[in-house]
Amino acid sequence: DQQVKQNSPSLSVQEGRISILNCDYTNSMFDYFLWYKKYPAEGPTFLISISSIKDKNEDGRFTVFLNKSAKHLSLHIVPSQPGDSAVYFCAARDGGAGSYQLTFGKGTKLSVIP
Amino acid sequence: KAGVTQTPRYLIKTRGQQVTLSCSPISGHRSVSWYQQTPGQGLQFLFEYFSETQRNKGNFPGRFSGRQFSNSRSEMNVSTLELGDSALYLCASRQDQGAGEQYFGPGTRLTVT
Repeated sequence: DQQVKQNSPSLSVQEGRISILNCDYTNSMFDYFLWYKKYPAEGPTFLISISSIKDKNEDGRFTVFLNKSAKHLSLHIVPSQPGDSAVYFCAARDGGAGSYQLTFGKGTKLSVIP
Repeated sequence: KAGVTQTPRYLIKTRGQQVTLSCSPISGHRSVSWYQQTPGQGLQFLFEYFSETQRNKGNFPGRFSGRQFSNSRSEMNVSTLELGDSALYLCASRQDQGAGEQYFGPGTRLTVT
């Protein structure tokens, strides 16, 4: 049972436009959500996070939106740049698990076209 | 600060052998977690260590084990390797204060032949 789903395996966006990456989850115990970016042959790099008590968090070009009632979060990148091309993972922490265990989606490959 | 380091970066083993992977967390970070990344399953949680104690374990067979030392460095061991163990093994560390984020190392690419 996949508790964190990224339904779009890939996304192509023109440079300068907005990239929107989506993520759905099923576990109501998730209390903290994170987005990571991953280049080939490297480990994931932390991008931005949001607590379940908030609905929006912004950091520069990156904004994460959380809709708890829909169990949905999204990452907006504005404006998109070619260097943003990577695989993006959505991750969630189970606040009731007693430890810091992240559950990851399978990733969305973003291609930003110059 | 230096980031999370993992050694070795690449490893080729034969089915039935065992392997030990090493992880050095960011200085001051006491929590270390391990993940397995495969093309079909994505990133899956293996286990988390804090102050030399395993706090949580994912849904992996007992062939997968780990430990943490007093300096927070961690090792994971896989015994009786199977072809399906071929994967990128990622280590991540965090300060263990509240929620916060984990910082990942570059990973160890294990190939089992």
